[in-house]
Amino acid sequence: GNSVTQMEGPVTLSEEAFLTINCTYTATGYPSLFWYVQYPGEGLQLLLKATKADDKGSNKGFEATYRKETTSFHLEKGSVQVSDSAVYFCALRGGGSQGNLIFGKGTKLSVKP
Amino acid sequence: EPEVTQTPSHQVTQMGQEVILRCVPISNHLYFYWYRQILGQKVEFLVSFYNNEISEKSEIFDDQFSVERPDGSNFTLKIRSTKLEDSAMYFCASSEAPRSGAQHFGDGTRLSIL
Repeated sequence: GNSVTQMEGPVTLSEEAFLTINCTYTATGYPSLFWYVQYPGEGLQLLLKATKADDKGSNKGFEATYRKETTSFHLEKGSVQVSDSAVYFCALRGGGSQGNLIFGKGTKLSVKP
Repeated sequence: EPEVTQTPSHQVTQMGQEVILRCVPISNHLYFYWYRQILGQKVEFLVSFYNNEISEKSEIFDDQFSVERPDGSNFTLKIRSTKLEDSAMYFCASSEAPRSGAQHFGDGTRLSIL
């Protein structure tokens, strides 16, 4: 079945450091891929998405490229800020008729000033 | 920007009691979802709902659970006889379309079963 695996956290970085959070997936067919972010005390917010191979999703300085050959969708940001501290979830939407999301376990990011 | 709203933000209930979690999806959305996140674990799909009926449900969504859209705005999740293991954060989401539209999530209801 469909599944998502993302790197274990927590990840602690200094401000302006480079961020990579790895995400790989297993899916039949052609899934859509997403990164969601959860700030403390809040719900899940869509950060970016990609719907087909080689698409790059980007938002707020974050990027992720849909790599079908490596079944990956790694999240990157060139220079993190303290305000980026949150939990990041990789997710896929596969062949389900109503498009339910399958999430990874989440990676907690803490950025220190 | 339109939001999905969930009430209450925190619900404390005795084991065996019924609980109803409420959600108001974004007004022009047609597809509705419930997910849950047990503390420290991944977010898990429970059920999707469209055109006043369940479209899909996971194995978690057993006979103790039910969903309803009682009027034009609310979408509810009922747990008939709560168990300790039902303690979790429950998220409601909605989307315009199931495959092309992004799902928008509420802030969640934290359910604590004593």
